[in-house]
Order: sequence, then structure tokens, then C-alpha cells
Amino acid sequence: EPEVTQTPSHQVTQMGQEVILRCVPISNHLYFYWYRQILGQKVEFLVSFYNNEISEKSEIFDDQFSVERPDGSNFTLKIRSTKLEDSAMYFCAGGQNYGYTFGSGTRLTVV
Amino acid sequence: AQTVTQSQPEMSVQEAETVTLSCTYDTSENNYYLFWYKQPPSRQMILVIRQEAYKQQNATENRFSVNFQKAAKSFSLKISDSQLGDTAMYFCAFMKHLSNDYKLSFGAGTTVTVRA
Repeated sequence: EPEVTQTPSHQVTQMGQEVILRCVPISNHLYFYWYRQILGQKVEFLVSFYNNEISEKSEIFDDQFSVERPDGSNFTLKIRSTKLEDSAMYFCAGGQNYGYTFGSGTRLTVV
Repeated sequence: AQTVTQSQPEMSVQEAETVTLSCTYDTSENNYYLFWYKQPPSRQMILVIRQEAYKQQNATENRFSVNFQKAAKSFSLKISDSQLGDTAMYFCAFMKHLSNDYKLSFGAGTTVTVRA
């Protein structure tokens, strides 16, 4: 079965550094999402992306965050200047409508 | 905004027994989808079961079934014949039935431990 692939699986970064999390959705997906899960807490919506633009974003998704799909394949989440509280699992997901497939996640640790 | 509440932080069940996880939600929408996701220690999010609100029949997937009570805004998950591999965190989630708005709102999760 096709998968949503996320890289890296684990990234450690210094506070204040920029990070880029990468996702390769399934080819026929139309909608793309990023979710975040702080350890032991619930999964929170960050942003949705449709037709090459952001369709919705949450309060968490402030100016430090950005997304793009530069080549029609990779879907990236950039955090410009990481903070300690950005440490979390970040999940990419893709789908056509109400059917989602989640990636296996990137564990981001900010030190 | 939709609120999803899972009131049981942890549940423990003996192998081969049945466990029921509760979920309630708050919405003014009439059409929506409800989901249960499983998150094993690997942290992967795995879809267990999905229910369309306009369908009265409760969804089932092998050993997993739901009790959907639309008027009560309740969506419980029953795991029958529990297996050790069912040990995981389970999240209830809500999605509106609107074009271009397919984001999920999750509950806080219930950790299920299956004992041998």
C-alpha cells in the first residue's frame, strides 16, 4: 500500500536554528496537512494545504512556520527559529478528502 | 470550534477480553465524520475505523466496532478479543463534512494496555 514518507525520522537542533521537515505524499493526494504532537499530549492541527496554497492554519502556525510544495512532490514544513517548545512529533498527512494517510512522523528535539 | 473529549486517560484489559473506550464531541454541524486512530509505541498514526454521521449503522472493522449515538454526541470504540498488539494510545477525532475543510480535531487520547 502506498505510504506517506517523512524525513528525517529524528532531528536534533539547537534553539534558534532553522529546520526543514520533509514529506513525500502519495501521488494522487490533493490535500496536505501538518500536525504536531507534543510528547504525551494530543495531536494538534497546524496547517492544511490545497491547490498550492494554505487553506487553513491554526493559532500555533505563527510567522515562524511556513510550508511549501516546491516541486509538486515534496511537501515541507519550515520552522525559522526553533524554540524549546517546538520539540514534538510532527506528522505529515495527505488525502483526497476525508480519507487521510499519515506519515510515520519526525521527532524534533530542540536543545 | 469542535471539541473532542476522551474521559479515560488509561485503560487496562486482559488478553481476549473486551474493552470500550469512550468519546464525546461537541459540534453544531449536522454532517461530519468521526474516526478512531491507533498510535502504537512506534508513534505512527493508524486509522482504526471511520463513521459517517449520516449513516445510522455503526461501523465495524473485524474486532473493532463503534457505538455511534448522534443525539448524545457519543462515539465509543469497542475492542473485542483484545490482543497484545492492541496495546497503544487511541485517539478519537472529528472532521467536518465541508469541501476544503478536512482538518481533524483530536481528543486527548486513551492509553490501552493489554495484559497477557
